[in-house]
Amino acid sequence: AIQLTQSPSSLSASVGDRVTITCRTSQGINRDLAWFQQKPGEAPNLLIFDASDLESGVPSRFSGSGSGTHFTLTISSLQPEDFATYYCQQFNSYPLTFGGGTKVEFK
Amino acid sequence: QVQLQESGPGLVKPSETLSLTCTVSGGSITNYYWSWVRQSPGKGLEWIGYVYYNGRTKYNPSVKSAVTMTVDMSKNQFSLRLRSVTAADSAVYYCARLGRVGELFDYWGQGTLVTVSS
Repeated sequence: AIQLTQSPSSLSASVGDRVTITCRTSQGINRDLAWFQQKPGEAPNLLIFDASDLESGVPSRFSGSGSGTHFTLTISSLQPEDFATYYCQQFNSYPLTFGGGTKVEFK
Repeated sequence: QVQLQESGPGLVKPSETLSLTCTVSGGSITNYYWSWVRQSPGKGLEWIGYVYYNGRTKYNPSVKSAVTMTVDMSKNQFSLRLRSVTAADSAVYYCARLGRVGELFDYWGQGTLVTVSS
């Protein structure tokens, strides 16, 4: 199975900050990567697919980049509703696998 | 708007079978892949497998020997059975739709907590 390693596992930030989360995969997956946001007590919510395509309805402050084994999720200006946990997920091969998550907390 | 809702017991005894059903509303179960994902503090998010609307399945090797997924098109439902559970199977279980030919988790249920305990 392809392993996904996210860093950092948690970070503290303030409203308006630029935040970058990294996801590295154990083997190349082209651009077959998605990013999810999860708030406490809720299901994950799809933000980005194909490494950089924004899901409909997702604010443009979210962006993704990367290919192969190195990917990033960037929030250009953190908003109060963005404090959550973020997960990357690969769909290049089965079994589908997720990263361990990055918790974005209020500084 | 597609909506998914999990149902089933919240408490299962060790060595018994965990059974959950997901009811899909606002859309047809036809032509899509339907999946189960679980989340526990110790193991994060884990994909369990999928069932296609025609009954074809694919499972995560980590649980393959113990899992069965089925679909009931007449009720717009799909189901999960996990045999011989242990405490390690305690988790929040989500049902989800795998859109774009089985690649993207685009719709999720709210999740249901299942605890394995005697």
